[in-house]
Amino acid sequence: DQQVKQNSPSLSVQEGRISILNCDYTNSMFDYFLWYKKYPAEGPTFLISISSIKDKNEDGRFTVFLNKSAKHLSLHIVPSQPGDSAVYFCAASSGGGADGLTFGKGTHLIIQP
Amino acid sequence: SQTIHQWPATLVQPVGSPLSLECTVEGTSNPNLYWYRQAAGRGLQLLFYSVGIGQISSEVPQNLSASRPQDRQFILSSKKLLLSDSGFYLCAWASGRRGGYTFGSGTRLTVV
Repeated sequence: DQQVKQNSPSLSVQEGRISILNCDYTNSMFDYFLWYKKYPAEGPTFLISISSIKDKNEDGRFTVFLNKSAKHLSLHIVPSQPGDSAVYFCAASSGGGADGLTFGKGTHLIIQP
Repeated sequence: SQTIHQWPATLVQPVGSPLSLECTVEGTSNPNLYWYRQAAGRGLQLLFYSVGIGQISSEVPQNLSASRPQDRQFILSSKKLLLSDSGFYLCAWASGRRGGYTFGSGTRLTVV
């Protein structure tokens, strides 16, 4: 049973436009959410996070939105740049997170020139 | 600054052979350490985590084991590899406070 779901395996966006990556979760105990970016043959790098007490967190071109009632979060990248092409993982944790993060399967974002 | 080292970068092993992957962290003490695996076409699956020396928690029953002989060393092992053990193995650490985990560069394991 997958507790964190990223239903779009891939997404293609034109350079300069907005990229929206979606993530759904089923575990009501999750209280902290993160987005990671991964290039091939490298480890994931932390991008942005949000606590369940907030509904929005912004960092430069990246904004994460959280809708707790819908158990849904999204990552907005604007404007999209060629270097944003990568696999993006949504992750969630509960109770401090010492017992690890639960990841989605990832979405491959392709930025078209 | 904190750094995490993971080696080797790539490994090709025959079925039935043993495995030992090592991960070390520098610049921090008493980190929480994690082993994840990304199999082909799948997300990141948590295999083991450790909150201290000798303390190992397993998330998924499998052909692998983990050990933490020192505070900043985490080892992933297998006595006999299976074809299904192929994947991209990632070590990660966290400070114990909320925040992003830091991942190593990963090991691409191919069992043939």
